Amino acid sequence: RKEVEQDPGPFNVPEGATVAFNCTYSNSASQSFFWYRQDCRKEPKLLMSVYSSGNEDGRFTAQLNRASQYISLLIRDSKLSDSATYLCVVVPGTASKLTFGTGTRLQVTL
Amino acid sequence: NAGVMQNPRHLVRRRGQEARLRCSPMKGHSHVYWYRQLPEEGLKFMVYLQKENIIDESGMPKERFSAEFPKEGPSILRIQQVVRGDSAAYFCASSPGTSGTDGELFFGEGSRLTVL
Repeated sequence: RKEVEQDPGPFNVPEGATVAFNCTYSNSASQSFFWYRQDCRKEPKLLMSVYSSGNEDGRFTAQLNRASQYISLLIRDSKLSDSATYLCVVVPGTASKLTFGTGTRLQVTL
Repeated sequence: NAGVMQNPRHLVRRRGQEARLRCSPMKGHSHVYWYRQLPEEGLKFMVYLQKENIIDESGMPKERFSAEFPKEGPSILRIQQVVRGDSAAYFCASSPGTSGTDGELFFGEGSRLTVL
């Protein structure tokens, strides 16, 4: 089983739609969780951290379910500029390295 | 812009040649990570270094690949005797400390290696 699994998509949604991505992880001792965004042929950039209590940043909401070992990202009122690949990131155990999922591609259309 | 600087941005090599990729971390950052991204695949961790020390190289292939981060100068990822399967984007990232808790790695724009 992969350490971090994501549905590769693509998710094609119209502008204004709400879209959600899930990500599962295998190591129950994982410490920290994040969502990164990667535009085509660009470097990844941190989008937001994921906390047990859930957290929101504008149109973006991240949730963590430790019991089921999954993380979610909800994007409300999608914009064309949200089109990108969203990478689920897990820090397994106490290791410092970040483990990336393969990403979920989002395409927002007019 | 004092971001993570990688060079070269694009590198073409023939099979059997050597590739050297360089990375200068952000100012004030002493931790460097190398990741590889194959076409249509995710980022795979390769190695984590601090100045003059390799902290974690669990993702490095056992042969032909090496990395260093000397006291002076950039971090270097070296691939000897390249093969076609080494064609990928190699991303370097840096952080001021261990990235395990706050999760923010600052990535360079990547070096795209093509092996003919």
